[in-house]
Amino acid sequence: NAGVTQTPKFQVLKTGQSMTLQCAQDMNHNSMYWYRQDPGMGLRLIYYSASEGTTDKGEVPNGYNVSRLNKREFSLRLESAAPSQTSVYFCASRKTGDLTGELFFGEGSRLTVL
Amino acid sequence: GQQVMQIPQYQHVQEGEDFTTYCNSSTTLSNIQWYKQRPGGHPVFLIQLVKSGEVKKQKRLTFQFGEAKKNSSLHITATQTTDVGTYFCAPYSSASKIIFGSGTRLSIRP
Repeated sequence: NAGVTQTPKFQVLKTGQSMTLQCAQDMNHNSMYWYRQDPGMGLRLIYYSASEGTTDKGEVPNGYNVSRLNKREFSLRLESAAPSQTSVYFCASRKTGDLTGELFFGEGSRLTVL
Repeated sequence: GQQVMQIPQYQHVQEGEDFTTYCNSSTTLSNIQWYKQRPGGHPVFLIQLVKSGEVKKQKRLTFQFGEAKKNSSLHITATQTTDVGTYFCAPYSSASKIIFGSGTRLSIRP
């Protein structure tokens, strides 16, 4: 059972470079999320997608774009990376309408911007 | 918007001591979830509380939801080294936006 798969697991960028973090889930979940976690800090919501075809801003959306490609995939793009975007990025998904609605997280993508 | 605060930020205990983390909201919550993140790992769901005054137990872990549904707590009895990690609360509603509390990092002296 793959669950939530994120790629890449590690990435080093130079300031100004662009990149896309990929996320895919195989649980037929409706909602998907991107969070960032700075060292020793909590989880901050960047963007989320309540259902296929919709995306909404979270707490810290500046400097990021997202695409809900289909029900399975939700990508996060950094158009011009900055050192302040050095972080661990977590993708998560959940089944809406379910009583529990728990989030299932990927393993994380560790991004360093030099 | 909905905001939650967790206290304490850090807790360092001797193995075998108890541990409690509190989650306080400025607004009434529909329900609340708790997650645990081991060092270097990803958050993992522990439990959801829905009813006012609800108390749930998982072995040595006791979760409570306040009567006014504005606060919640997680209590660990007789901590073990396997309890090390950061504990997050996350208010849950029918809306899809899920914001996490700041977390409480638990470390344990063997």
